[in-house]
Amino acid sequence: GAVVSQHPSRVICKSGTSVKIECRSLDFQATTMFWYRQFPKQSLMLMATSNEGSKATYEQGVEKDKFLINHASLTLSTLTVTSAHPEDSSFYICSARDPMVWNQPQHFGDGTRLSIL
Amino acid sequence: GESVGLHLPTLSVQEGDNSIINCAYSNSASDYFIWYKQESGKGPQFIIDIRSNMDKRQGQRVTVLLNKTVKHLSLQIAATQPGDSAVYFCAERGYGQNFVFGPGTRLSVLP
Repeated sequence: GAVVSQHPSRVICKSGTSVKIECRSLDFQATTMFWYRQFPKQSLMLMATSNEGSKATYEQGVEKDKFLINHASLTLSTLTVTSAHPEDSSFYICSARDPMVWNQPQHFGDGTRLSIL
Repeated sequence: GESVGLHLPTLSVQEGDNSIINCAYSNSASDYFIWYKQESGKGPQFIIDIRSNMDKRQGQRVTVLLNKTVKHLSLQIAATQPGDSAVYFCAERGYGQNFVFGPGTRLSVLP
């Protein structure tokens, strides 16, 4: 079964709205989670690394004030797209891994399809 | 660095044939590798992994081969089925605990 749960799976909203996406680790405590963005027919693009209890680390070119990340607990990270505009429409995916197990893959959520009208 | 904005190459195979998907990785110090399958509208799913101290690992209908000399990883799928149609990504663990993803390959299974 799924070990990372992402919600919602799809959001359609008006321009200017802020949208919050949740990512939960179900079977383990994740001190680190990752947020990706994926455009159609393209690879995963890492946006930021979410760190429990501290600030997220953003990749170059990703606006931290546009994409707010909060990792308030060991099982939950949230990504808020603030004042979303049509160019923010995309597929957003989170992932996490169990830090207690060394050779273990990142597990991914099922993604959130964000459509801004 | 991370994969950014690359359009996916496509591999088309006949149903029942074997598929081989290739991946070149960048960091000779990477010690752990994973293959993921991503179906349309879903997140990537783990298929198989391999550590750098191995050169081959087999799963159910899938085999991963690792050639560290040329920094090459491949995924072999035996008796490809329509349900195997998806995008396949390789990932390498390099510095720290972060994974770097390849550009992905779209596998199309022809009837």
